[in-house]
Amino acid sequence: AQSVSQHNHHVILSEAASLELGCNYSYGGTVNLFWYVQYPGQHLQLLLKYFSGDPLVKGIKGFEAEFIKSKFSFNLRKPSVQWSDTAEYFCAVTALNDMRFGAGTRLTVKP
Amino acid sequence: SQTIHQWPATLVQPVGSPLSLECTVEGTSNPNLYWYRQAAGRGLQLLFYSVGIGQISSEVPQNLSASRPQDRQFILSSKKLLLSDSGFYLCAWSIPQGVNSPLHFGNGTRLTVT
Repeated sequence: AQSVSQHNHHVILSEAASLELGCNYSYGGTVNLFWYVQYPGQHLQLLLKYFSGDPLVKGIKGFEAEFIKSKFSFNLRKPSVQWSDTAEYFCAVTALNDMRFGAGTRLTVKP
Repeated sequence: SQTIHQWPATLVQPVGSPLSLECTVEGTSNPNLYWYRQAAGRGLQLLFYSVGIGQISSEVPQNLSASRPQDRQFILSSKKLLLSDSGFYLCAWSIPQGVNSPLHFGNGTRLTVT
């Protein structure tokens, strides 16, 4: 069965710092990849998604992610974080009809 | 537009009591439906998914079960709750296009088993 690994459980950054959250998956077939974000007290929201084409995808709020097929990775990046980016971030992989999530990475941005 | 309703928002139940969480989707037909559990530090765990009425795939062997009595209704149940069933339960739907569809989540149910 496919699985998703997020290596960072809790990341603490200062405002304006650059962000990279790691995501690796284990599935050899065709997959689609997502990053979801959950702001404190809010629902899960889709941040960005990759289906095909350009492996560098841009999402909302200045986030981007790069799909590297050879590394089975889909890391999330943002050049300069803001305090409002404090949230929990989930990487997800779909194949067939189910979607698997990573354990999540809690990002705390200090003002 | 499509909407997803999940209730109740919070629930406190004693060990050994039954459970029924309901989820309904409006504005779409034949959605894929999912139940996830979000436990602290463990991310989102897929419990069940369904691609049609009466079609349930179970991902975790435990005392929970799911049913889909109608096209847009998905129910999570238990006959006897365990302490370990405490957590945050999320219902989600996607359009039936397989891998190309993101999930849309309900508001979730915070279940505390005492």
